[in-house]
Amino acid sequence: DTAVSQTPKYLVTQMGNDKSIKCEQNLGHDTMYWYKQDSKKFLKIMFSYNNKELIINETVPNRFSPKSPDKAHLNLHINSLELGDSAVYFCASSQDYWQPQHFGDGTRLSIL
Amino acid sequence: DQQVKQNSPSLSVQEGRISILNCDYTNSMFDYFLWYKKYPAEGPTFLISISSIKDKNEDGRFTVFLNKSAKHLSLHIVPSQPGDSAVYFCAASAVEGAQKLVFGQGTRLTINP
Repeated sequence: DTAVSQTPKYLVTQMGNDKSIKCEQNLGHDTMYWYKQDSKKFLKIMFSYNNKELIINETVPNRFSPKSPDKAHLNLHINSLELGDSAVYFCASSQDYWQPQHFGDGTRLSIL
Repeated sequence: DQQVKQNSPSLSVQEGRISILNCDYTNSMFDYFLWYKKYPAEGPTFLISISSIKDKNEDGRFTVFLNKSAKHLSLHIVPSQPGDSAVYFCAASAVEGAQKLVFGQGTRLTINP
């Protein structure tokens, strides 16, 4: 009964490939987010969606495209992967934007 | 341009003593602050929050203090327990960008028996 679940947990792939990370929340929250934790351990927001509508797009390259088929899911598709995309990606959700966010366990993406 | 800073990358405390984790911010528009705790291979877990209209919020062993004039907040854990060993992240948001949490880089707390 995981609240925010991400798949896969680990993703190892070659430069230039296209990959997707899936996120689902069963908390009934209206808002979902994607964060990137880089090698310096900073957690930085990439996108947020509220009821399937894009709210925040934080100067992320357009190789990254979030897709929200419904308010319980926010998937992240990455085209033409680059070495600098290696990081841990966290999905999160909250009931409203002023409520604390609940995080998934992260997807560690490694680009060879 | 790091708006939220945790200047201590690590902290080691004896079990039973008080742990104090510090966080500084530069954006005076921030009005909501949170602390998250993170274990290895897991996502951050919300711990406690405080809004700018308060200077203290307490929840069991955890207390967060906010000093707006100094743009400083701290998390006190007392008494510290071995299970508190984790990385602690401070985060802040502003009403205008309320969906955008800005995180510090984290402090690794180790509680020694």
